[in-house]
Amino acid sequence: ETGVTQTPRHLVMGMTNKKSLKCEQHLGHNAMYWYKQSAKKPLELMFVYSLEERVENNSVPSRFSPECPNSSHLFLHLHTLQPEDSALYLCASSQVGPRGGETQYFGPGTRLLVL
Amino acid sequence: AQSVTQLGSHVSVSEGALVLLRCNYSSSVPPYLFWYVQYPNQGLQLLLKYTTGATLVKGINGFEAEFKKSETSFHLTKPSAHMSDAAEYFCAVSESDSSYKLIFGSGTRLLVRP
Repeated sequence: ETGVTQTPRHLVMGMTNKKSLKCEQHLGHNAMYWYKQSAKKPLELMFVYSLEERVENNSVPSRFSPECPNSSHLFLHLHTLQPEDSALYLCASSQVGPRGGETQYFGPGTRLLVL
Repeated sequence: AQSVTQLGSHVSVSEGALVLLRCNYSSSVPPYLFWYVQYPNQGLQLLLKYTTGATLVKGINGFEAEFKKSETSFHLTKPSAHMSDAAEYFCAVSESDSSYKLIFGSGTRLLVRP
């Protein structure tokens, strides 16, 4: 599946580092998402961009900063993270329309470990 | 508020046996319902979804699910398990007036014994 790609696939960082996660979708969709997947917790929606505007921000700490420069690319900038931020970060995209029920297509994720 | 409950964090079946993964939801408006599968070190892949129309939905890899409004359920079944079905399965709900927001259950890990 190459519709949604994410880089890097694995990342180890210290609490004082700054890094960025990248997501690219090749499906022509108009919405992109960041999710956090932690062990033993449901997927948590972090951010949603629709038509390159942020439409959802689920009380995510400011040490996570999203950026959506165009409809195909989404970034998650990370700085001064905590060990509890270690998780799998999933990017997804969909074609949002008036009727709802659109499928979200997921990338393979970035496995982040914060030391 | 929407919510999704998946009964059983782990389900173990023998190869060739029936697979039944349970999902119950709560929603104040007619829902859209999804099942996704996640294989190790991969993202989520859509198995099937219910939007409107026929309540029995067929998906990929021989899976199907039935929307039962009276029971607020959307259980996933497969008549005969295969070793390759071992994965984690997620049920999700989206309300019809919120076209982008998906609420996921906590997932069920399916183990298939030879």
